[in-house]
Amino acid sequence: KNQVEQSPQSLIILEGKNCTLQCNYTVSPFSNLRWYKQDTGRGPVSLTIMTFSENTKSNGRYTATLDADTKQSSLHITASQLSDSASYICVVSASGGSYIPTFGRGTSLIVHP
Amino acid sequence: SQTIHQWPATLVQPVGSPLSLECTVEGTSNPNLYWYRQAAGRGLQLLFYSVGIGQISSEVPQNLSASRPQDRQFILSSKKLLLSDSGFYLCAWSVQGARTDTQYFGPGTRLTVL
Repeated sequence: KNQVEQSPQSLIILEGKNCTLQCNYTVSPFSNLRWYKQDTGRGPVSLTIMTFSENTKSNGRYTATLDADTKQSSLHITASQLSDSASYICVVSASGGSYIPTFGRGTSLIVHP
Repeated sequence: SQTIHQWPATLVQPVGSPLSLECTVEGTSNPNLYWYRQAAGRGLQLLFYSVGIGQISSEVPQNLSASRPQDRQFILSSKKLLLSDSGFYLCAWSVQGARTDTQYFGPGTRLTVL
């Protein structure tokens, strides 16, 4: 069964600090992995997408890494800002024509001033 | 550019009443369309997806139904709402046949069933 596990479930950090969110998956055969940011009461917005051959992808202060061998990904946020407070969702898609990606439950990040 | 609309933004309905949520996509043709539900503090649960007009696949048994009367219109319905139908409903689209099938989400509808 395809699964995506995220940790920690929630995280509180001070503004300006860095943090790293983790994602482990069992989706096979692997096609791509995406990180989404979901602000409270809004739809998720894609931050990064990585395919099998990519192991790092950056989007401003967000850097995602992918280790396809260990089936792990991380999202590193540098110099956090109050606007980074949101839920971060890891989503993994399988190859082979499936239209249905597998979603993690998300990590809730709160950035305090 | 592509945009996705959902309405209404919020809805409060009594138990047993009907439901109709609408989603439309602009700026693309023949998209894959999806309905998700997100309960408070929970992850996204896929309810329905569609790869074309009139083609609906259901992921979980429930008292909800979906229809796609037009290429870029996706409707979520219920004849009689249950308390457990409360949640945040999200519509999404993705490009048909794309290798990197990023899903683009709408703004969502907050449904409260009392």
